[in-house]
Amino acid sequence: AQKVTQAQTEISVVEKEDVTLDCVYETRDTTYYLFWYKQPPSGELVFLIRRNSFDEQNEISGRYSWNFQKSTSSFNFTITASQVVDSAVYFCALSEARYGGATNKLIFGTGTLLAVQP
Amino acid sequence: DAGVTQSPTHLIKTRGQQVTLRCSPKSGHDTVSWYQQALGQGPQFIFQYYEEEERQRGNFPDRFSGHQFPNYSSELNVNALLLGDSALYLCASSMPGPEQETQYFGPGTRLLVL
Repeated sequence: AQKVTQAQTEISVVEKEDVTLDCVYETRDTTYYLFWYKQPPSGELVFLIRRNSFDEQNEISGRYSWNFQKSTSSFNFTITASQVVDSAVYFCALSEARYGGATNKLIFGTGTLLAVQP
Repeated sequence: DAGVTQSPTHLIKTRGQQVTLRCSPKSGHDTVSWYQQALGQGPQFIFQYYEEEERQRGNFPDRFSGHQFPNYSSELNVNALLLGDSALYLCASSMPGPEQETQYFGPGTRLLVL
């Protein structure tokens, strides 16, 4: 069965602190994709990153970095020097590859609410 | 380049009524997926449309139905509304090719059932 667990319901930090959001996933497939989305109060889910199961390279994009470890089935997200604008709900999601080249459904975690205080 | 658009933004209905939500995908995208997000929860997959056909369906009753038009836009219909259908309904689109796994979301429609 596919499952995504985000154990941290809420995190509160002070501006300029580093913060890591945890994501643990379960899947039986060998080919799958992992995602992070940001949901500000407006409600729209903003795509941040996609990772393929066969690519365990960590990635850095500005203040954002992602650590993908298949051995522990984790895909954690770190924000360095957090800012107030980073305040949002962050979702980790999983999709399994489909044959025939097709988009598969996303399985989401329950999200982590990040509050960055000035 | 316009993103995914949805209408209306907000909607209030009463139990037993029917509702239609609309979605226009990003330019160049041919697949539309619908998700329901209850308050404090992650989005749950309802169904997906491709080439005007329902291709995948989540664990939702037949009261939830949809349609995709030749221009790739899509509608979500919910019949016999229940209080529990109150949620944010999100539409997502994806494009053919190497990036097909990535879904881009619209701003959602907030439905309140009284």
